[in-house]
Amino acid sequence: AQKVTQAQTEISVVEKEDVTLDCVYETRDTTYYLFWYKQPPSGELVFLIRRNSFDEQNEISGRYSWNFQKSTSSFNFTITASQVVDSAVYFCALPMNYGGSQGNLIFGKGTKLSVKP
Amino acid sequence: EAQVTQNPRYLITVTGKKLTVTCSQNMNHEYMSWYRQDPGLGLRQIYYSMNVEVTDKGDVPEGYKVSRKEKRNFPLILESPSPNQTSLYFCASSPRQGVGYGYTFGSGTRLTVV
Repeated sequence: AQKVTQAQTEISVVEKEDVTLDCVYETRDTTYYLFWYKQPPSGELVFLIRRNSFDEQNEISGRYSWNFQKSTSSFNFTITASQVVDSAVYFCALPMNYGGSQGNLIFGKGTKLSVKP
Repeated sequence: EAQVTQNPRYLITVTGKKLTVTCSQNMNHEYMSWYRQDPGLGLRQIYYSMNVEVTDKGDVPEGYKVSRKEKRNFPLILESPSPNQTSLYFCASSPRQGVGYGYTFGSGTRLTVV
């Protein structure tokens, strides 16, 4: 079965600290994709990144970076020099890869990040 | 602007009064889906549609109906809402069914059933 675990329910940091959000996934597939979404206090879900399992290079986008490690089935998300605007719930997601439900996203429970000034 | 539009954003209703939450996308996406989000339970899929007139149940379909008569629209129908359907609902779309596309989400509908 496919599963996504975000063990950190809530994290609180002070502005300018670096913070890493953990994501551990389970899948039997050799080829798969992983996603991160952000849900700010306003409630919408915002796409952050998509990663193919073939590509294990770390991804960097401004203050955001993602570390993908197939050996540990992890796809962790780091925010460098956090800002108050980063306060949100962050979700890691894995698409189902079989049958009629192929493509349906399985979400982790999310990590609520609070960045205090 | 490419987007998924849900209406209404907020809705308070009474038990048993039928309601419809509309969802429309302007990206010509084949695949659409409804999720509900609840504290402690995360995001759970209600129904999805692979294309016009093709729908299937997700993980929590009880108490909901959907239809896909046109490619752009995917309304969520609660025939007889109950308080346990109080939740935050999201509509999402994707170019087609498949593992690599991800979703574009609507802004959400916060439903309260009293």
